[in-house]
Amino acid sequence: GAVVSQHPSWVICKSGTSVKIECRSLDFQATTMFWYRQFPKQSLMLMATSNEGSKATYEQGVEKDKFLINHASLTLSTLTVTSAHPEDSSFYICSAISTRDRGEKEAFFGQGTRLTVV
Amino acid sequence: LAKTTQPISMDSYEGQEVNITCSHNNIATNDYITWYQQFPSQGPRFIIQGYKTKVTNEVASLFIPADRKSSTLSLPRVSLSDTAVYYCLVAGGYQKVTFGIGTKLQVIP
Repeated sequence: GAVVSQHPSWVICKSGTSVKIECRSLDFQATTMFWYRQFPKQSLMLMATSNEGSKATYEQGVEKDKFLINHASLTLSTLTVTSAHPEDSSFYICSAISTRDRGEKEAFFGQGTRLTVV
Repeated sequence: LAKTTQPISMDSYEGQEVNITCSHNNIATNDYITWYQQFPSQGPRFIIQGYKTKVTNEVASLFIPADRKSSTLSLPRVSLSDTAVYYCLVAGGYQKVTFGIGTKLQVIP
């Protein structure tokens, strides 16, 4: 099946610094990728939809200037958490949409990135 | 977007069959039903996908009635390693993929 790779798997950063998370579709092209945030014992919350070659679409309540998304190629989307604060500590997950053999679409997920801001 | 409703949690003994039902009353004609499994600190993993009737693969079965307003994921003979959160997703064009709360399955020895 299709593979989505996220990097890094975990990161610890100081408050006020910025952190970049990469999401790559390894064996397929993805014009659309999604970024989620998941707090402990909660479901995945959609943050934004990343569209290749255009601006990302952010969900209500998500600050676009704080969570910068760049989808510069068909296989790579990046999420940059700017001026990170402890409350940004969370598990960030990306997904990319692939089309299966019979035309059904399927969302493939990265392994997630654990961000801890100290 | 079709909203989904699942039980928050379920317990099962090892070796038993587990059925998790998801309600999606507002499912659209072009929507598929997909189930994912998530372990702690990992991304969701695809289990099975279907449109109608019954679908079976090496790990699960998916039952979808004719009106498609619900679906049931069936896990045969669960083991401790099946303890996870299971999400039911309903999406068509995948312009936007949102998650419900999911069902936390606890398998008991």
